[in-house]
Amino acid sequence: DTEVTQTPKHLVMGMTNKKSLKCEQHMGHRAMYWYKQKAKKPPELMFVYSYEKLSINESVPSRFSPECPNSSLLNLHLHALQPEDSALYLCASSQAIRSGNTIYFGEGSWLTVV
Amino acid sequence: AQSVTQLGSHVSVSEGALVLLRCNYSSSVPPYLFWYVQYPNQGLQLLLKYTSAATLVKGINGFEAEFKKSETSFHLTKPSAHMSDAAEYFCAVQRGNAGNMLTFGGGTRLMVKP
Repeated sequence: DTEVTQTPKHLVMGMTNKKSLKCEQHMGHRAMYWYKQKAKKPPELMFVYSYEKLSINESVPSRFSPECPNSSLLNLHLHALQPEDSALYLCASSQAIRSGNTIYFGEGSWLTVV
Repeated sequence: AQSVTQLGSHVSVSEGALVLLRCNYSSSVPPYLFWYVQYPNQGLQLLLKYTSAATLVKGINGFEAEFKKSETSFHLTKPSAHMSDAAEYFCAVQRGNAGNMLTFGGGTRLMVKP
């Protein structure tokens, strides 16, 4: 069983809605990640937080807004999304962002934008 | 820059047959290599990880992978396929100069025939 918990598992939202995806880990990890995965493709990195500070933003559009309230929690705020943003959103964590650290993934949140 | 190539986007085997999923890497430094599995409608689960401690790495569910520097390969094998092994498999390498960020291969879908 994964120790990275994501909610909700499924989300349908309109293009004018504001919603959030939530992620929690209790492994004491200090790095957390958001990935986006389209069907039949590998995951693509969106954001990385290290010690609750944004470390990497892979040129993600501003309609996606990450937030790390504490070392265990990671949110992804969604606003004014487009249908092409429909995808599986994966949260992940690792002990740190040092080379050699393993990244552990959650089960994902399926997002459909209508 | 590190990269991985997975040969064969689809592999089909009979139940009980050998599973061989191919991954070749490109890296200017000794790499950290990973195999992840993604079952239908789920997140990514770590199968195994190469860290240079041993060239033959044993993972979960009977899978193993052998690191061959001369061939720049890290192929995943399992002696006897089970129906429950049907999934998408991703090979990944850490980016090296960017900490533990992962670069994924394109994925291989394993189908197991009864």
